[in-house]
Amino acid sequence: QKEVEQDPGPLSVPEGAIVSLNCTYSNSAFQYFMWYRQYSRKGPELLMYTYSSGNKEDGRFTAQVDKSSKYISLFIRDSQPSDSATYLCARNGIFGTGTRLKVLA
Amino acid sequence: DAGVTQSPTHLIKTRGQHVTLRCSPISGHKSVSWYQQVLGQGPQFIFQYYEKEERGRGNFPDRFSARQFPNYSSELNVNALLLGDSALYLCASSSDLRSTQYFGPGTRLTVL
Repeated sequence: QKEVEQDPGPLSVPEGAIVSLNCTYSNSAFQYFMWYRQYSRKGPELLMYTYSSGNKEDGRFTAQVDKSSKYISLFIRDSQPSDSATYLCARNGIFGTGTRLKVLA
Repeated sequence: DAGVTQSPTHLIKTRGQHVTLRCSPISGHKSVSWYQQVLGQGPQFIFQYYEKEERGRGNFPDRFSARQFPNYSSELNVNALLLGDSALYLCASSSDLRSTQYFGPGTRLTVL
């Protein structure tokens, strides 16, 4: 089992939809969690990070960590075509494969 | 403030050659990490340096080596290039070993 697992997608949604992106992880050592956005042929851009269980909100983005079920989620409200990118989750610097998101205008 | 910078942007090499990639961290950051990202995959950890010492190494062969300089910039060297080394090589900097990492734009290496 990989340390961090993500559904690679692609995930296509209409503009304005709420997007839910998910990751699972397998190790329970000290941990911090991050979500990155990566546009094609660019470096990853940090969106959010958290060290604890629960929700963290930043504008249209909400990161959720459930340590009991080892589940990490990123919610995007009012999705825009400019949100079309690959979203990478990471735990302690270990990355998932990324989920490709396409928001249709 | 400048973010993480990497050079060169693109590079084409042939099998068996050697390559050196360079990274300058965000000002004030003392840790630099290197990642390899193959198309369609997430970044794979290669090395982490902090205060000029290697503090972590991923599962990569000895053909890969790196170093960090007194100004905290870093180089990644790859010897005896293979076709499978073709990838986007990412540098990330952080203020210390466990702080948030910020990535540079990457160097795209193509091995022919």
